[in-house]
Parts: sequence; structure tokens; C-alpha cells
Amino acid sequence: DQQVKQNSPSLSVQEGRISILNCDYTNSMFDYFLWYKKYPAEGPTFLISISSIKDKNEDGRFTVFLNKSAKHLSLHIVPSQPGDSAVYFCAASGANQGGKLIFGQGTELSVKP
Amino acid sequence: KAGVTQTPRYLIKTRGQQVTLSCSPISGHRSVSWYQQTPGQGLQFLFEYFSETQRNKGNFPGRFSGRQFSNSRSEMNVSTLELGDSALYLCASSLEVFAGYGYTFGSGTRLTVV
Repeated sequence: DQQVKQNSPSLSVQEGRISILNCDYTNSMFDYFLWYKKYPAEGPTFLISISSIKDKNEDGRFTVFLNKSAKHLSLHIVPSQPGDSAVYFCAASGANQGGKLIFGQGTELSVKP
Repeated sequence: KAGVTQTPRYLIKTRGQQVTLSCSPISGHRSVSWYQQTPGQGLQFLFEYFSETQRNKGNFPGRFSGRQFSNSRSEMNVSTLELGDSALYLCASSLEVFAGYGYTFGSGTRLTVV
């Protein structure tokens, strides 16, 4: 049973445009959601997180939106840059689960100049 | 400051052997987690340690074990290796056991079982 799903394996956008990466989850007990970015041959890099008590968190070009009723979150990157090209993972953690993160399968973002 | 260091970076082992992977967290970080990444299963949680105690364990067989030392460095061991254990093994560290902080990952150890 996959509790965190990223249904789009890949996404291609033009430089300067908005990139929207989506993630769905099934477990209503998750209380933190995180986005990670991963380049080949490197470990994932933490981007941004959001608590389940919020519906939006912003950090520079990155904004995460959480829709609890739909069990859906999205990462918006504005404007997109070629250096943003990487695999993006969303992850979730439940109450008292600490460092146990449940990851989605990832979405490969390609930003074309 | 130095990031999370995993050694070795690459490893080739034969079926049936055992292997030990090492992880040195960021200085001051007391929580260390391990993940397995494969093309088919994605990133899967193995276990987490905090102050030398295992706090959480994922759904992996008993062949996978780990430990944490008093300096927060951690090792994971896989015994009786199987071909399916070929994967990228990632270690992540955090100040505390709190997902909201985000965990800092190392670059991983690529294990190939032949």
C-alpha cells in the first residue's frame, strides 16, 4: 500500500515559467510533509516542509500548498531555472514517527532554457 | 561545516556475504536514519537511531541491522546478501527526532551484489 504517491514520473517546463509538482497521500495521520530534491549520484536535499496545521509555506521561489481535505500537496517553483532540473520527492511523517519518512516515487523535472 | 559522510561510496559483494556501511552525521546531530533506494521500490525507510537507541524500524527482514555509537556515528549491516539487496543506501541526520526540521542526507553507498 503506497501511502504517498507522485503520479507524474516526469515534468518538462520552460525556463521562467512555473513548475507545479503534485503529491497525494492516503494516511490522514501524517502531520508533516516535506519536499526533497535529488541530483544523480547525490543524496536528497531538503527543500521545504509544511505542518499539517498550515495550508501554505513559502521559501523564496518555492511554495508548498497543502489541501488536507483532498489529501493533496503541491510544490510550486516560480520562476523555474535550468538548475532546478532534478528528481523531486515528496515525503510524509506521522505523529511520533520522527525520522521515519514515507517517500513518493519522485517526479523528474526538466527545465528547458 | 561538514555534511553527512557515508563510506564507502561504492561496494561490490557476492551473494551470501555480509556488508557493513558507515555513516558519520553532521556534528551535533543525534538522530541518524537509514534508507534504501531502488528503481522499483523507491526510497524506503530502514531504521532510525537516536542516542544509541533504535527509535523506529521499517519493514525489512532481520538480515538488516544497525547500531549507533556514543559519538552518533552509525553503522548498518546486511547479512547473507541477496541480489535484491543491490541498492543505494542513504543515511540522513538531524539534530533531533523531528521531521519538521528536515533531514540532511549523505551521498549514499552504492551496493552491488553479484
